[in-house]
Amino acid sequence: EAQVTQNPRYLITVTGKKLTVTCSQNMNHEYMSWYRQDPGLGLRQIYYSMNVEVTDKGDVPEGYKVSRKEKRNFPLILESPSPNQTSLYFCASSQGAGGPAEQYFGPGTRLTVT
Amino acid sequence: KNEVEQSPQNLTAQEGEFITINCSYSVGISALHWLQQHPGGGIVSLFMLSSGKKKHGRLIATINIQEKHSSLHITASHPRDSAVYICAVRGAGSYQLTFGKGTKLSVIP
Repeated sequence: EAQVTQNPRYLITVTGKKLTVTCSQNMNHEYMSWYRQDPGLGLRQIYYSMNVEVTDKGDVPEGYKVSRKEKRNFPLILESPSPNQTSLYFCASSQGAGGPAEQYFGPGTRLTVT
Repeated sequence: KNEVEQSPQNLTAQEGEFITINCSYSVGISALHWLQQHPGGGIVSLFMLSSGKKKHGRLIATINIQEKHSSLHITASHPRDSAVYICAVRGAGSYQLTFGKGTKLSVIP
């Protein structure tokens, strides 16, 4: 079954404790992206990757890191989480190194930073 | 930076009604996406279009590049269509997506 998986689905952590949210897709997609969703602000793009070892910033990259060492995986790293990073996070993938085509979304990760 | 505006923000309809959701953007684009977010939070892609019109079942999406405007239509609406509908645009020559804030649709039996 074609899918995008994220782990964990729910996470409560404390300020400053490094964490990683994993994202994996089984569709051999070139393009992968991370988004955060906040009430009143909608979805905003954090980082995206056009292919292995090729990543770039979206609209809200501050406080986040990503890496793309393998085509299927695109982890999101919060080196020193802060309460303003409390949000719902989505990973997505799509075909085409030329840019985002039809997006396949993961189920979301609800992160709370206290 | 592209500004994406959706209207209305909230929409309540009776079952069977024809529904239109609008999306306007400020800068030229290479593609526009329509997404559906279910009440449980999951997001699915409905359409990606760069010109003209696309149809899938009871859903129709249109785009007018000159007017920088797209519409999503739902014919014969049903309570299972209740969801948040989100418009997103990809800027010309860009790999980024910019999103509207969504339209919350409630269809009442």
